[in-house]
Amino acid sequence: GENVEQHPSTLSVQEGDSAVIKCTYSDSASNYFPWYKQELGKRPQLIIDIRSNVGEKKDQRIAVTLNKTAKHFSLHITETQPEDSAVYFCAASGGGSYIPTFGRGTSLIVHP
Amino acid sequence: DAGVIQSPRHEVTEMGQEVTLRCKPISGHNSLFWYRQTMMRGLELLIYFNNNVPIDDSGMPEDRFSAKMPNASFSTLKIQPSEPRDSAVYFCASSLVGQGERSTFGSGTRLTVV
Repeated sequence: GENVEQHPSTLSVQEGDSAVIKCTYSDSASNYFPWYKQELGKRPQLIIDIRSNVGEKKDQRIAVTLNKTAKHFSLHITETQPEDSAVYFCAASGGGSYIPTFGRGTSLIVHP
Repeated sequence: DAGVIQSPRHEVTEMGQEVTLRCKPISGHNSLFWYRQTMMRGLELLIYFNNNVPIDDSGMPEDRFSAKMPNASFSTLKIQPSEPRDSAVYFCASSLVGQGERSTFGSGTRLTVV
């Protein structure tokens, strides 16, 4: 089955800095990569996703990049704000399954 | 739409007791997922249903866990008997069939077994 590794487990930045979270996946058939944000005590919410036919996708201050050859994808947050503080999960699915395999999560802390 | 509704939000129970978690999916969604979240293991899929039928329960940890979906608007996850290691946050999520990667999660039930 699919295996998704996510790094780092904790990321601390100053407000205004950029943050990058990286994930690798094992199944070359995976073709859909969503990212979820989970604020403290709340539910995970889908914030951005990318499909394997696209190398990069951007939505305001967040962007995702995908390298199919290397089987890794990343979440980039620019001009971080305290409200970006949360746990971020990457996931991968595809190859006949639409059930995502999640990474272990990255706790992002943005210091004002 | 009120989103995916889970109850209770918090549950504290004694070891050995039966625990029932409840979920109401988004109206029109025909896939329903139960996840468990812990610090040690992250977010794990326990079981999912398509059109009220269990499709894959390979993530259910033991026979103490069971899940049902008697109709399109209601599902339960039952633990009997409960153990301290079952303490976790349990999420229910729903989606259209074939779009499980874009599920909408409920607010979760935080279960503590003492």
